[in-house]
Amino acid sequence: AQSVTQLDSQVPVFEEAPVELRCNYSSSVSVYLFWYVQYPNQGLQLLLKYLSGSTLVKGINGFEAEFNKSQTSFHLRKPSVHISDTAEYFCAVIGSGGYNKLIFGAGTRLAVHP
Amino acid sequence: DTGVSQNPRHKITKRGQNVTFRCDPISEHNRLYWYRQTLGQGPEFLTYFQNEAQLEKSRLLSDRFSAERPKGSFSTLEIQRTEQGDSAMYLCASSLFTGNGNTIYFGEGSWLTVV
Repeated sequence: AQSVTQLDSQVPVFEEAPVELRCNYSSSVSVYLFWYVQYPNQGLQLLLKYLSGSTLVKGINGFEAEFNKSQTSFHLRKPSVHISDTAEYFCAVIGSGGYNKLIFGAGTRLAVHP
Repeated sequence: DTGVSQNPRHKITKRGQNVTFRCDPISEHNRLYWYRQTLGQGPEFLTYFQNEAQLEKSRLLSDRFSAERPKGSFSTLEIQRTEQGDSAMYLCASSLFTGNGNTIYFGEGSWLTVV
């Protein structure tokens, strides 16, 4: 089975500052990793995903994430945030080799202030 | 590609009533998932289908919950004898499963409020 821990429930940051949202996972098998964003009263939109290959993954809206197998982490970063990035961010994992469902973390609320 | 479509978007019902949500996945996606999300929490897996076959159900899915995907296209999630604890957003998602970390696409969700 897999599990996901998002280490910060809320991250306040000023506009144009860099941000990192932390995600750690646990799994007994290899995994695929995802970050989703959820704006108020909306569904989830895929930001980026790691399947294999380069450990640095670039996504939409200027976000990127780095897969670190030894630390079982998949932290999300953006060098300069905008007010419009205010949203809930979810890290998710799915096991390879027959596991069939995304397991989500509890989410991190990113609040960008002017 | 019109995305995953869910109806209704909002439903208010009295405790004890039955409700049904519908999900239309992305065309030709063979997998369809249902998740539940409560305020301040991440989505929790409920069940999923591959084509018309329901392959897994979470322990969260009590006997009052039933999901179907009769022709391998749209799906319905019915909740019988609703309880206040059923109040949540119900998310549907779909994917084209190829066995290699396929991306799962989510709909806008259906909000249920039980009063």
